[in-house]
Amino acid sequence: AQTVTQSQPEMSVQEAETVTLSCTYDTSESDYYLFWYKQPPSRQMILVIRQEAYKQQNATENRFSVNFQKAAKSFSLKISDSQLGDAAMYFCAYTGTASKLTFGTGTRLQVTL
Amino acid sequence: ETGVTQTPRHLVMGMTNKKSLKCEQHLGHNAMYWYKQSAKKPLELMFVYSLEERVENNSVPSRFSPECPNSSHLFLHLHTLQPEDSALYLCASSQDSLGWRGYTFGSGTRLTVV
Repeated sequence: AQTVTQSQPEMSVQEAETVTLSCTYDTSESDYYLFWYKQPPSRQMILVIRQEAYKQQNATENRFSVNFQKAAKSFSLKISDSQLGDAAMYFCAYTGTASKLTFGTGTRLQVTL
Repeated sequence: ETGVTQTPRHLVMGMTNKKSLKCEQHLGHNAMYWYKQSAKKPLELMFVYSLEERVENNSVPSRFSPECPNSSHLFLHLHTLQPEDSALYLCASSQDSLGWRGYTFGSGTRLTVV
């Protein structure tokens, strides 16, 4: 079974600084996708960024980028120029050939002035 | 406009009540999901529907009964729940059952069982 591990329950970053959230996963599949979702207090899970396992190039979406290390099964999220609106729970997630998205336990990100 | 709408937003029910959670998507997606989110635990997948057929039931107690009358609507019928069932229930949809483009989530129903 696939597992997703987020070892940082909480992180803090100052506004305008950069922060990296860690995620590791375990799978025996070769084709899969990885995601980072953001869950603000409004509770809706919002897709931040998506990475296809067969693509070596790291995905980027504006201030958000990933460091995908397939051999190490690592998928970290870097947030540049952090903003107050980035404060939320961040979840790493995996989906392969089964019909389900498997989530980690989340990292709560605080953004301070 | 989130694309996935869940009602009600909050629900308080007694252990002997019967209630239903509703989820609606207007994205033209073919798969819909129910997840349970409890504090300090990973999101738990409960049910998966693809093209209105249930394709996965993750050993969920029978007091939770899903219904998918069409590809746009998903219900979760609740009956004789326990206090430990109190949680945030999230509905999601995806273009297909593999979900490789990602899921779109609703804002959830916060359920409290008293």
